[in-house]
Amino acid sequence: DIQLTQTPTFLSASVGDRVTITCRASQGISSYLAWYQQKPGKAPKVLIYAASILQDGVPSRFSGSGSGTEFTLTISSLQPEDFATYYCQEVKSYPLLTFGGGTKVEIK
Amino acid sequence: QVQLVQSGAEVKKPGASVKISCKASGDTFTSYYMHWVRQAPGQGLEWMGVINPGGGGTSHAQKFQGRVTMTRDTSTSTVYMELNSLRSEDTAVYYCARFYDSIGAFDFWGQGTLVTVSS
Repeated sequence: DIQLTQTPTFLSASVGDRVTITCRASQGISSYLAWYQQKPGKAPKVLIYAASILQDGVPSRFSGSGSGTEFTLTISSLQPEDFATYYCQEVKSYPLLTFGGGTKVEIK
Repeated sequence: QVQLVQSGAEVKKPGASVKISCKASGDTFTSYYMHWVRQAPGQGLEWMGVINPGGGGTSHAQKFQGRVTMTRDTSTSTVYMELNSLRSEDTAVYYCARFYDSIGAFDFWGQGTLVTVSS
């Protein structure tokens, strides 16, 4: 089974900061990776798919990069509405899927 | 627009079963695989399994082998997930989510169903 390790698990940042979250896969998954944002009490929302493609309607301050085993989600200028938990998900093994452990982004 | 509407919260005793429904609307029901994901309180997302609403075929995480059953009713565009032999660790919010092949990700989610397992 593919394992996904997200770092950091917790991140404290200020509005306007550039934030980077890393997701490492235990084996190569090409670009079969998605990123989700989840706010408390809500279902997750897809931000990025195929490692780097922005989902329709997602602000351009979000970007994704990487392939193989290392991926990053970057928020170029953190906004108040971006404080949430972020998850990566691999789909290389589809239909069997795996999520990373999550990264909680909180206000400094 | 696409909507996934799940059944309401449940409280169950250890050893019991729970069956959650997820009714889809706004698109062709049989065209998208439907997945189940759960989230224990304060924890991350855990993939449970998937059903093909068209053919009815299923796959699930090894962890739930022998305990989970996913079914569908094409006449009502509803998928179901039944989890047996409940234990306290199964207390979680359960989500259905639609997998959109064109993007390789979940594009729509249900609102979640809280299942509480307590004696």
